[in-house]
Amino acid sequence: DAGVIQSPRHEVTEMGQEVTLRCKPISGHDYLFWYRQTMMRGLELLIYFNNNVPIDDSGMPEDRFSAKMPNASFSTLKIQPSEPRDSAVYFCASSLGGGIDQPQHFGDGTRLSIL
Amino acid sequence: GENVEQHPSTLSVQEGDSAVIKCTYSDSASNYFPWYKQELGKRPQLIIDIRSNVGEKKDQRIAVTLNKTAKHFSLHITETQPEDSAVYFCAATLGGGTSYGKLTFGQGTILTVHP
Repeated sequence: DAGVIQSPRHEVTEMGQEVTLRCKPISGHDYLFWYRQTMMRGLELLIYFNNNVPIDDSGMPEDRFSAKMPNASFSTLKIQPSEPRDSAVYFCASSLGGGIDQPQHFGDGTRLSIL
Repeated sequence: GENVEQHPSTLSVQEGDSAVIKCTYSDSASNYFPWYKQELGKRPQLIIDIRSNVGEKKDQRIAVTLNKTAKHFSLHITETQPEDSAVYFCAATLGGGTSYGKLTFGQGTILTVHP
């Protein structure tokens, strides 16, 4: 299996621009998670989906952030408009539900820099 | 919500020594505790996990212990090697209901193993 695939790996853009991060979970996994990692705040869960339905978005920082999962093999995290404080590494992870000890498999992340 | 505290923030050992990282959690209902290793510029990878009905789990040089009464769990690495150098994250989650999969991470421990 190719694992969780994220794109792009790096994104540099100017403040105010729209940013779209993409994720393809492991085939067959029914949970998908979006995390943000910064030095100051560590690893934070932003939102997660079960069977393409958002379950908990309490970690989404502001209305500028939105996430969708139109089908079982694709999800997007969008920031509009972007701000310098959004600079971070964004990880997507997926897991196979059904038990409390199903591990989350992380993608390689997108390193986002907002100038 | 759940709060996870991790100590120490940095740990430096000589090759061959043991390393211990400790975490405490706040929600007594948490029942699944994974540990992740993250090398520089890479994604977090699960190295070991433990469920609340188990007190200790071992996998070669790595072991995790859990004290439910005190609400703390620890990672033990024996016979450390330079390739063990990385950031280690503990996490806790409520493994059922609407909170399934909602991992709360500790702040991380930077482990450096000197040859």
